[in-house]
Amino acid sequence: QVQLQQSGLGLLKPSQTLSLTCAISGDSVSSTTAAWNWFRQSPSRGLEWLGRTYYRSTWSYDYAVSLKSRMTINPDTSKNQFSLHLNSVTPEDTAVYFCARGTGTFDIWGQGTVVSVSS
Amino acid sequence: DIVMTQSPDSLAVSLGERATINCKSSQSVLYSSNYQNYLAWYQQKPGQPPKLLISWASMRESGVPDRFSGSGSGTDFTLTIGSLQAEDVALYFCQQYYSPPWTFGQGTKVEIK
Repeated sequence: QVQLQQSGLGLLKPSQTLSLTCAISGDSVSSTTAAWNWFRQSPSRGLEWLGRTYYRSTWSYDYAVSLKSRMTINPDTSKNQFSLHLNSVTPEDTAVYFCARGTGTFDIWGQGTVVSVSS
Repeated sequence: DIVMTQSPDSLAVSLGERATINCKSSQSVLYSSNYQNYLAWYQQKPGQPPKLLISWASMRESGVPDRFSGSGSGTDFTLTIGSLQAEDVALYFCQQYYSPPWTFGQGTKVEIK
């Protein structure tokens, strides 16, 4: 079955870059029917969609407007995974981060990564 | 962005009784061309990611018990747990996928009375 396995460092200082990876098994990051998403969840902001990448005939990327200037999502076809990079983090970026598959609804999720930003 | 608002924030229900969660969207999520409501429900247990329960407002995902049902259209939706079981204690979210950015309700915590 399809599984998503997250990895990456969860303790950051302000101004550093958050980098997380989501490894896919049982599906392909290059699938022409799937999309690969990042979310985060915190008590203050609730569950928040951050962005996605997907392949149809070319790669496409969509980002939440509020984070677009600081965020990139990159597919890695050689490793069948995708990554999230969020630069210039602040304590407000403290949250649990999830990757998930879906084009509107999200049926497969990663296990979650606790990210804490503190000086 | 479409704002999703759930009520109540929490509820306590006796085992075997009905639990009802409401979700209201700031604009209609009914797509006129196909008469589908772009509304989903998720269940999240502590320490776990959300689990998709219902899509298209009322269509249960494979393996979801039939005590879970969704209803509503346009801007007003309901998730009903027909007979609450101990394993249903969780946080429940509605989510719209009518237009990006995809947005979620704030969540409703269901507990046993």
